Order: sequence, then structure tokens, then C-alpha cells
Amino acid sequence: DTGVSQNPRHKITKRGQNVTFRCDPISEHNRLYWYRQTLGQGPEFLTYFQNEAQLEKSRLLSDRFSAERPKGSFSTLEIQRTEQGDSAMYLCASSPNLTTAGRQETQYFGPGTRLLVL
Amino acid sequence: AQSVSQHNHHVILSEAASLELGCNYSYGGTVNLFWYVQYPGQHLQLLLKYFSGDPLVKGIKGFEAEFIKSKFSFNLRKPSVQWSDTAEYFCAVARRTGNQFYFGTGTSLTVIP
Repeated sequence: DTGVSQNPRHKITKRGQNVTFRCDPISEHNRLYWYRQTLGQGPEFLTYFQNEAQLEKSRLLSDRFSAERPKGSFSTLEIQRTEQGDSAMYLCASSPNLTTAGRQETQYFGPGTRLLVL
Repeated sequence: AQSVSQHNHHVILSEAASLELGCNYSYGGTVNLFWYVQYPGQHLQLLLKYFSGDPLVKGIKGFEAEFIKSKFSFNLRKPSVQWSDTAEYFCAVARRTGNQFYFGTGTSLTVIP
């Protein structure tokens, strides 16, 4: 399967600890997105990369959150000093580069990492 | 701020019933529109999308959606649902000039055999 993969699938941590999640996008996709989804809500955009450049960040992404995509392939999302409110599903998605102006390509989602902060 | 509304939070239907799930968005500019589905235990996957042209778009598994610009709506339809359509359905909107997808809160569909 050459879809988007995310690790770990589940993470339980204590408040105040740091956690890091990894996303491996579909190999030929230049664009990578991170979302957060809480119970009863749709995915909320966190940040977006085009290759290794982080081009957009949501205001939801506090300074405790940092994302990287150092070589333009896999990406990591780190949460420092976790809080109970960080408990959520963290989704990664990737898409190919735009081929036609004004048309976002379909985003392909990974299975997500479910974080529980105790 | 951009928002996407899905007014049906939970829908329960019997097999062979017709389905219509509402989606409205608030953004005055040109948008691209998507419906995603999440089957139990699976990833979000694309059902269908609209960029331009014919406002009635057809997707996988017999789903279709109609874009009505004047109503800022993109409702999802299926004439006859099956038990296997039980899933969570998300409407998403993206501005032509942006990179973000804005998702609705989702509609949980349960189809009773």
C-alpha cells in the first residue's frame, strides 16, 4: 500500500510531556497538510508544506506546536508541554502539486494518530 | 471567517431509501467543493469533487452532489442507500486562492438492513 502512513497510531502521554508524530506522504506528492480532529468535529487545518517549506500555519497552531518537513518527504509534528486539550486525532494528508490554476488537488489522508493526554 | 455547515448530524435510513445530506458554506469568492467519507475504521477518502462546469457531479458508489451557487450549497445525494454506506460524511470547501480545506462537522449515516 503506497498511501499516507502515520506513526504512531495511538499515543497516551501525561500532561506536560512532549510528543512527536510522523507522517509519510505518498511519495510523489509535494504538498503535505496536518489537521486536528476532535470528537464530533470535522478536521481542522493546522499547517501546510510545499516540499520542505512551511507555507501556511493556522492560528490553532500555538507556539507549543511545531512541524517540520526537512527533506520535503516525511513530516513530523511535535507538541511540547502537552495539555489535556491537545487530546485529539492528528491527521496528515498529502496531495500532488497543482496542475491547473485554481484547482486544489484531492487530499489523501492517513489513518491519523490518536493522542490522549492524561 | 470561512465556515462549512452540515445541518444533519445523525441520519438513520433503511436500505433502499434515498439520501440527501446538506452542506452550506460561507464564502463569497470562488471555491472548490468536496465530499469525503470515512467508513468505520478507515481513512477519510474522497467521494466526489466540484471545480467548475456542470454543477451536478457524480462520484464513486452512486453518489452525486449538486452545487447551487446562489444558495452556497453542495448537497450530497444517493437515490438508494445500502448498508455498506454506513459511514461519516464530511463536506469540505477550499478557496481557489488558498491551500486550506475547511471541513464541516460531519454527518453520521447509519443504514439499517
